[in-house]
Amino acid sequence: GQNIDQPTEMTATEGAIVQINCTYQTSGFNGLFWYQQHAGEAPTFLSYNVLDGLEEKGRFSSFLSRSKGYSYLLLKELQMKDSASYLCAGMDSNYQLIWGAGTKLIIKP
Amino acid sequence: IAGITQAPTSQILAAGRRMTLRCTQDMRHNAMYWYRQDLGLGLRLIHYSNTAGTTGKGEVPDGYSVSRANTDDFPLTLASAVPSQTSVYFCASSAGGQGSDTQYFGPGTRLTVL
Repeated sequence: GQNIDQPTEMTATEGAIVQINCTYQTSGFNGLFWYQQHAGEAPTFLSYNVLDGLEEKGRFSSFLSRSKGYSYLLLKELQMKDSASYLCAGMDSNYQLIWGAGTKLIIKP
Repeated sequence: IAGITQAPTSQILAAGRRMTLRCTQDMRHNAMYWYRQDLGLGLRLIHYSNTAGTTGKGEVPDGYSVSRANTDDFPLTLASAVPSQTSVYFCASSAGGQGSDTQYFGPGTRLTVL
C-alpha cells in the first residue's frame, strides 16, 4: 500500500531550528513535495526533491534519501509566522500525490 | 491574476440536497484536482482531470461527480449530500507535466451537511 508518515505535532522556540521528518511508501516514486498550510488557509508549495540530497531555499531546506524512503524539512531562524502545518506528499508512478496528515508546528516566543 | 477561485466559501446543506462546488483557474493549467481535507487525515483525492474533456477517479470518488468542459472550470457535484461529506474541499491545478508538477490550491470550500 501507499503511506506517508510524519509526526502529528512539534513545538519549537522562536529563533531556533526544527527538523520535520517524513517517511514514505509509494507505488513507484516521482518525487517528494513539502507544502505549508496556515490554519484556515490553502496549502502552499515549499519544495520538491526527486534526487538524493539537500535542497536549500533561504531559511527552508529539504532533504531526500530515496534508498531509505525518508525526507525532512529543516526550518532555520524560526519566526512566529512559521506556525503552521507542514504537509509531506509523495508522487507515485501515476504522478498522483499521496499526502501525509501533516505536522502542526507550534512556535513559542 | 487570481489563480484559482472557489465558490462558495462555505455552505451548510441539508442531507439529501444536491450541491455543486465551483472551481475556476486562470493559469491555463491542463490538470485539475478535487481534494477533501478532514481533521487528522491527509488530503484525499476525489477526482482529477488531466486535460479538458477527460476526468478520472481518485481515492474517494463515491458520491461525487465532476465534469471538465473547458480548461478553466472544474465543478464538483454532490448528487445527494450525506453528513459524512462534511469536510473542507480544495480544488487544485497544475501545468500537467510530469515529475515536478507543482499543484496550486484554491482557498477551499467549507461544507457542512446536516
